[in-house]
Parts: sequence; C-alpha cells; structure tokens
Amino acid sequence: NAGVMQNPRHLVRRRGQEARLRCSPMKGHSHVYWYRQLPEEGLKFMVYLQKENIIDESGMPKERFSAEFPKEGPSILRIQQVVRGDSAAYFCASSVDRGYGYTFGSGTRLTVV
Amino acid sequence: DQQVKQNSPSLSVQEGRISILNCDYTNSMFDYFLWYKKYPAEGPTFLISISSIKDKNEDGRFTVFLNKSAKHLSLHIVPSQPGDSAVYFCAASADSSNTGKLIFGQGTTLQVKP
Repeated sequence: NAGVMQNPRHLVRRRGQEARLRCSPMKGHSHVYWYRQLPEEGLKFMVYLQKENIIDESGMPKERFSAEFPKEGPSILRIQQVVRGDSAAYFCASSVDRGYGYTFGSGTRLTVV
Repeated sequence: DQQVKQNSPSLSVQEGRISILNCDYTNSMFDYFLWYKKYPAEGPTFLISISSIKDKNEDGRFTVFLNKSAKHLSLHIVPSQPGDSAVYFCAASADSSNTGKLIFGQGTTLQVKP
C-alpha cells in the first residue's frame, strides 16, 4: 500500500520557466492538500482540493500559481514564470475524508536558478 | 502574522531524559492541535493530537499538554531516544472551516545525544 507519491523529488528551473509538481494520493484518498515550506520556516497551507474541485485556495499566491485534481490522474501544482522566491519544498498530503488525519508525501524540492 | 509560534529553534537533551517542546498560539478560534515529526528529506509524520476540550493526551512516550488560558501547548517525550532526533512542528486548526487546513509553527530541531 504505497503512501503519497510526489514527483519529481528535486526540480531545478531557470527563472521564467514553468514548474509542474505531481502528487498521487494514497489509494482510496480523494482529498488532497498542498503545503509549501520556505527555508527556515514552517509549512504554509496553499490549497485543498477534492476530485475535480478546488475547495479552499486561500493560501495560493494570486498570480502564477494554480492547482488541479482531475477525475483521473495525479494532482498537479503548476507554477508559471518561476522566480527565485519560489524555491522551497512543496508537500502534498492526502486523506480519505476532510479533516486532520492526512498523510504527507516526501515533498518536491524546487530550486530556481 | 504568525498565529502559531515555536520560539525555540533547537533543543538538545541526553538520551533517557525528558524532552519538552513548546508552542504558543494567538488565535482563540483554534480548537484542534497536532504535533508532527519530520526527518530530513521526508514529509512530516503525525505524532499526536489534542482537542481543545481536553488538557492532556498521552500516547506511549509522547504526551501533549494544552493550556487554553495561556494559549500554550507542549509535547513531552519520556524517555528520549536518539531516534527521536528530528524537527518537530506543532500545528493548529479551527473547526469552523472544516477543511482540515492546518497552521504550522516554525519547528524545533530536537537532538537527543546518546
């Protein structure tokens, strides 16, 4: 029973490029959360999605960031025109229902050069 | 606006002794609190939680205490083991949103020396 799978584990992008981060939730989980951890900081909530729906995107920057969780396939966090300040670890978590019992993936470490 | 604060960036204790990690919060609407443990290059792992209707929850070597009047919670690890060395995050949630959104503190790095 695989856990939450995130790929890639490490991603290097030049300024101005696009970054696509993927998250495959645990089997049977239909709720996905994305968090970002900047260096020397705690995790910051970005967005909460259910299949085909964005439920809470209050933590998403207003521009360049978007997220989706299609009916089939992984959840995608997309960052357009990346800047150095986007360098961070991005964690995805999934749960079988809304609430607090969710499992985190190992994260994607994005470096913008 | 840091609603959840862990004021000690690091803590070092001897194996077998007690580790006490502290966390303060400012939002009186928080009604559920959690502690996560994180090893390098891994995601956070849930440790223990407590509802605001309780003041103590215990699970093996881990106990969480909640003082609502002081808006303070702490995690006690007894006895501490070298494998407990990790970053510990406290997190809080307000049930009014019912989305499971968590607010995390900055983390405390615990080192347990053999």
